Amino acid sequence: AQSVAQPEDQVNVAEGNPLTVKCTYSVSGNPYLFWYVQYPNRGLQFLLKYITGDNLVKGSYGFEAEFNKSQTSFHLKKPSALVSDSALYFCAVRGPKLVFGAGTILRVKS
Amino acid sequence: NAGVTQTPKFRVLKTGQSMTLLCAQDMNHEYMYWYRQDPGMGLRLIHYSVGEGTTAKGEVPDGYNVSRLKKQNFLLGLESAAPSQTSVYFCASSEEITADTQYFGPGTRLTVL
Repeated sequence: AQSVAQPEDQVNVAEGNPLTVKCTYSVSGNPYLFWYVQYPNRGLQFLLKYITGDNLVKGSYGFEAEFNKSQTSFHLKKPSALVSDSALYFCAVRGPKLVFGAGTILRVKS
Repeated sequence: NAGVTQTPKFRVLKTGQSMTLLCAQDMNHEYMYWYRQDPGMGLRLIHYSVGEGTTAKGEVPDGYNVSRLKKQNFLLGLESAAPSQTSVYFCASSEEITADTQYFGPGTRLTVL
């Protein structure tokens, strides 16, 4: 069965600094990987996905994620964090159903 | 284009009461899903549907029933609510089931006393 691990409950970053939110996965076959963001009292919003091809995937709001097959990781990154990026971030893997990680709270301080 | 909508937004029930949560999507998506979100546990799939008239069990189906009588609507029912069903419920839809993006509604916060 597939699974996703987000090892950090919370990530704190200063505005303007690069950020990384970590995700590792386990799945049989080719992984379909997703990142979603949830702002307070809102539903989840799609950020980006990896299906196949280039290991660096670019998504919404300047976020990108790097797929690493050997390390079974799909870390979310942004070169310069904004205070407005503060939210709850979920990694998910499909195979066959979509399975979510527990989520990582990102706090960006000015 | 409203996307995915959910009603109600909030609800408080007493143990043993029943209720139905309504999800509607206007994107003509075949696939619809119900999740619950609990602190520290991410989202867990309750039930899903691969098309009008079909439903299937997800990861945590016990205590819930669903119906998909119309393509655009997906109903989640609680026949006899329990405090363990206190949660935030999200509906989602997608065009296809494997590699496609899921679009989420705003959620329903349910408290069972």
